[in-house]
Amino acid sequence: GIQVEQSPPDLILQEGANSTLRCNFSDSVNNLQWFHQNPWGQLINLFYIPSGTKQNGRLSATTVATERYSLLYISSSQTTDSGVYFCAVISYNTDKLIFGTGTRLQVFP
Amino acid sequence: DVKVTQSSRYLVKRTGEKVFLECVQDMDHENMFWYRQDPGLGLRLIYFSYDVKMKEKGDIPEGYSVSREKKERFSLILESASTNQTSMYLCASRGFEQFFGPGTRLTVL
Repeated sequence: GIQVEQSPPDLILQEGANSTLRCNFSDSVNNLQWFHQNPWGQLINLFYIPSGTKQNGRLSATTVATERYSLLYISSSQTTDSGVYFCAVISYNTDKLIFGTGTRLQVFP
Repeated sequence: DVKVTQSSRYLVKRTGEKVFLECVQDMDHENMFWYRQDPGLGLRLIYFSYDVKMKEKGDIPEGYSVSREKKERFSLILESASTNQTSMYLCASRGFEQFFGPGTRLTVL
């Protein structure tokens, strides 16, 4: 089945710093989503982005489907950005969302 | 605002009890899912449903069953709860984009 790898696995930042999270996938996809899991365990939708670029406030994402990767940019990070960021994909030969292993982000004041 | 709700945020049950976890979505989605999440194991798919009265086994269905009598409601049933079913349970529904409920932290004593 499709493999989804995220890097880095852990990231520690000071408030105000910028960061880039990467998601690589091993097959063509027709769905790619980024989620933020907060410390209470809730998965928050960030982007639905099977291709192209989107921005929402301090966050933006780019998916280059032909090269099988997606990037999540966080600018001017805040302590509330802490948590785990997941990339998840659906490939053309499955109907289930396959999750990457996540990037754990800690932002300190 | 899209919404997936779960019946309880925290639940404590005793070994052998029958447990019902309820999930309701208001987006008229056909696809609904139940996952469990454990430290170091990521999200694992238990069961999913593509339509009313339909159900499909996910990756770890043993010890669980589901019910989907109405489109908006998908229930997870633990017929006889065991301590190894202590976990975070997450419900989701999907049109193009998948949305998650807030999760239920179940403890089985």
